[in-house]
Amino acid sequence: DAGVTQSPTHLIKTRGQQVTLRCSPKSGHDTVSWYQQALGQGPQFIFQYYEEEERQRGNFPDRFSGHQFPNYSSELNVNALLLGDSALYLCASSFRGYGYTFGSGTRLTVV
Amino acid sequence: QKEVEQNSGPLSVPEGAIASLNCTYSDRVSQSFFWYRQYSGKSPELIMSIYSNGDKEDGRFTAQLNKASQYVSLLIRDSQPSDSATYLCAVNMYGSSNTGKLIFGQGTTLQVKP
Repeated sequence: DAGVTQSPTHLIKTRGQQVTLRCSPKSGHDTVSWYQQALGQGPQFIFQYYEEEERQRGNFPDRFSGHQFPNYSSELNVNALLLGDSALYLCASSFRGYGYTFGSGTRLTVV
Repeated sequence: QKEVEQNSGPLSVPEGAIASLNCTYSDRVSQSFFWYRQYSGKSPELIMSIYSNGDKEDGRFTAQLNKASQYVSLLIRDSQPSDSATYLCAVNMYGSSNTGKLIFGQGTTLQVKP
């Protein structure tokens, strides 16, 4: 039974560029949440997708956007990258907000 | 006020001692509470969940919940050096949505010294 898969594992981008991160949820899960974890901090909630719609959003600017596909997989897009966007990005899937499973994360470095 | 608050530590305990980790939360209607362990550079790993007031034990771990005080704690008995990690408290908050969002504290770093 596959868990949550995130790609890529690591990514280096230049300030001002755009990046897309991908997440495939655990089998049976229909909800995907995205988190940003800066060094030494707890994961910060970015947003959550369910039924292909953004259902809840944390305190993040519009540069952060996402999408959920009919197969429940999801993408996180970040535009106009800033140095401060450097972080570990975590995807967590669940069944309607129950039973969260985390992926291994994508380490984004902005230079 | 942060939604979920933890003391960032570090909390240092000798091997074999009891480590006590604490967390407070702001949302009175929250019903689901979790403790995750996170090793450096890795993703969070669920170690305990608790939904009712009182204690829940699983091996060397005991989670305690007091909804009236909006307080969750984690006790680790017979601490081992391998328990050295960051421990994240998380609360599932619903608000106006029927899909909960998991909100984390900043984490407490635990160091177990041999």
